[in-house]
Amino acid sequence: SAVISQKPSRDICQRGTSLTIQCQVDSQVTMMFWYRQQPGQSLTLIATANQGSEATYESGFVIDKFPISRPNLTFSTLTVSNMSPEDSSIYLCSVGTGVFRSGELFFGEGSRLTVL
Amino acid sequence: QQQVKQSPQSLIVQKGGISIINCAYENTAFDYFPWYQQFPGKGPALLIAIRPDVSEKKEGRFTISFNKSAKQFSLHIMDSQPGDSATYFCAASKRNTGKLIFGQGTTLQVKP
Repeated sequence: SAVISQKPSRDICQRGTSLTIQCQVDSQVTMMFWYRQQPGQSLTLIATANQGSEATYESGFVIDKFPISRPNLTFSTLTVSNMSPEDSSIYLCSVGTGVFRSGELFFGEGSRLTVL
Repeated sequence: QQQVKQSPQSLIVQKGGISIINCAYENTAFDYFPWYQQFPGKGPALLIAIRPDVSEKKEGRFTISFNKSAKQFSLHIMDSQPGDSATYFCAASKRNTGKLIFGQGTTLQVKP
C-alpha cells in the first residue's frame, strides 16, 4: 500500500480564517479523494481531486468553501475556507494505488482541525 | 439518504468470542464492499473487502459474508482479542469510481 502523509496532523484555528491541508503520497496514484469525519461520526466524501483539472465535488460541498488542488500524481491540497466551529473535523486524504482496479483505497492519518 | 446502514452502533464481546457487525445497502450498482478498522487518532485501515461474485471471504480471523439478494454483508471477527477494540466501518462503492459510501460505524470493545 502507498504511504500517505498529511500535514498538519492537527491545528487549532480561529473563526473566519482558512487552513490548507497537504497530502503527499510516496508513489504515483490513480485517484485521490478528500473525506471529512466529524467528531464521533462516519466518513463523508468531500471531493475527488483530479490531476491537472478542477476537483469534482459531492453534493453539499462547494469549491468556494473547499478549494482543492492536485498538481501531480503524488500531491494534493485541501483548503478549508472562512472556517466556523462547524468545520471542526478530521479531514482525510484517500488514494487509490496503481492497482486501483482492485478497488482498494488507503487513507492517511488525517488532519484534526478545531475551529474556535 | 443513508445508502449504507450499519449495526450495531456499539458492541462488547468477551476475549475469544465472535464479533459480528452487519451492514445493508440500497444501491444495487455497488460492487465493492470493504471494511475499515479505525483506532483513536488514526486514519481508517483497510481490513478486508469483497465483491458480489463471492458469498464469503476469509482472511485470518476476519470473514466477510455477503448476501447479494438481501443486499447485506457482515464482518465476523473470530477469537476476538482486546487489540481488536476499535471502530469498524463498512463501506460500498461502484466499480472503479473509488467513491466510498460509509456506514455509521461500530465501536467494538473486547473485554479481557
